[in-house]
Amino acid sequence: AQTVTQSQPEMSVQEAETVTLSCTYDTSESDYYLFWYKQPPSRQMILVIRQEAYKQQNATENRFSVNFQKAAKSFSLKISDSQLGDAAMYFCAYRSSMIGGGADGLTFGKGTHLIIQP
Amino acid sequence: EPEVTQTPSHQVTQMGQEVILRCVPISNHLYFYWYRQILGQKVEFLVSFYNNEISEKSEIFDDQFSVERPDGSNFTLKIRSTKLEDSAMYFCASKGSFQETQYFGPGTRLLVL
Repeated sequence: AQTVTQSQPEMSVQEAETVTLSCTYDTSESDYYLFWYKQPPSRQMILVIRQEAYKQQNATENRFSVNFQKAAKSFSLKISDSQLGDAAMYFCAYRSSMIGGGADGLTFGKGTHLIIQP
Repeated sequence: EPEVTQTPSHQVTQMGQEVILRCVPISNHLYFYWYRQILGQKVEFLVSFYNNEISEKSEIFDDQFSVERPDGSNFTLKIRSTKLEDSAMYFCASKGSFQETQYFGPGTRLLVL
């Protein structure tokens, strides 16, 4: 079974600074998808960014980018120019590319609580 | 932008009672999911549903749970006899064909007393 590990329970960053959230995962598969979801205090899960394992290029979405290291099974999220609205729990998630056979659901890490200091 | 909706937003029930949590997935999506998040813990996969049947379920999804798509728009999770440990946030998610991203609803906060 796949596992996702987020080793930072909490991170703090000054507004306008850059912060990196770490995520590692364990899998024997070669093709899969990785996600970062944001969960603000409202507790809704919001997709931040997605990475396909077969793509070597790191995904970017405006101020959010990832550092995907497939060999190291590492998938960190970088937030540039941090804003107060970025304060939330951030969850890293894994999904196999296989259809069915236990592959459908997302496997989440325990999350990192990001605090933005004004 | 289309979004997943869930009702109710909050539900309080007595232990042993049945509850039905409702979800309206994004209209052209064909894959549906339920997840739960016990307070302070990670989000856990419960079940996935496609073509009117369960395609995968986790160990958490025991005989107390069932899912149904009673009509063309709703997707429900039923807990037959609630236990205290069922208290959690329950998220519905949906995904379109040829897409990889699951879109989550706002969740239903269930409290079992």
